[in-house]
Amino acid sequence: GAVVSQHPSRVICKSGTSVKIECRSLDFQATTMFWYRQFPKQSLMLMATSNEGSKATYEQGVEKDKFLINHASLTLSTLTVTSAHPEDSSFYICSARSADRVTFGYTFGSGTRLTVV
Amino acid sequence: DAKTTQPTSMDCAEGRAANLPCNHSTISGNEYVYWYRQIHSQGPQYIIHGLKNNETNEMASLIITEDRKSSTLILPHATLRDTAVYYCIVNILSGGSNYKLTFGKGTLLTVNP
Repeated sequence: GAVVSQHPSRVICKSGTSVKIECRSLDFQATTMFWYRQFPKQSLMLMATSNEGSKATYEQGVEKDKFLINHASLTLSTLTVTSAHPEDSSFYICSARSADRVTFGYTFGSGTRLTVV
Repeated sequence: DAKTTQPTSMDCAEGRAANLPCNHSTISGNEYVYWYRQIHSQGPQYIIHGLKNNETNEMASLIITEDRKSSTLILPHATLRDTAVYYCIVNILSGGSNYKLTFGKGTLLTVNP
């Protein structure tokens, strides 16, 4: 079945630094990937839709200059949290679906726990 | 905005069937009902989806009412590993891959020994 790999699973960084999170579709091509953020005891909130070869579409209230998304290939999307602050500490999750595999909906990565100190 | 309503939490005894309800009274004719679950500190896992017929796979069964305004996810023999937050989502199923999933608050299912 479709597999999405997300890396790293955990990262701790200092305030003011940038962190890059990778999301890879391992056995299918994903023209579109999605990035979510989840705070403790809350549901997943969609941050942005990442389209291969074009600019990402951000949800209302998400700062595009702070959360940089690059989708340079059909199997890789990256999320860079720039100038991270403690309030950016959260669980970040990506998802993807192959355009030609509509049966099973969306596949999610295992998530990245970001802690900004 | 999430288009579904689920109970906040439910309990189930290990080995018994877990029946998780979901209301989606504003569902459109071309929208499917999806179920995902999220075990603590992991990404969501796909369980099952359906349009109007009942569906069954190796994980669960999905019962959709005739008017499609509600559905029930059934885990026939719950185990401790089924403890998770279960999300019911309605979305269009199509060849396009840019239909985003919107998560509600889900139901925390706790399976007790």
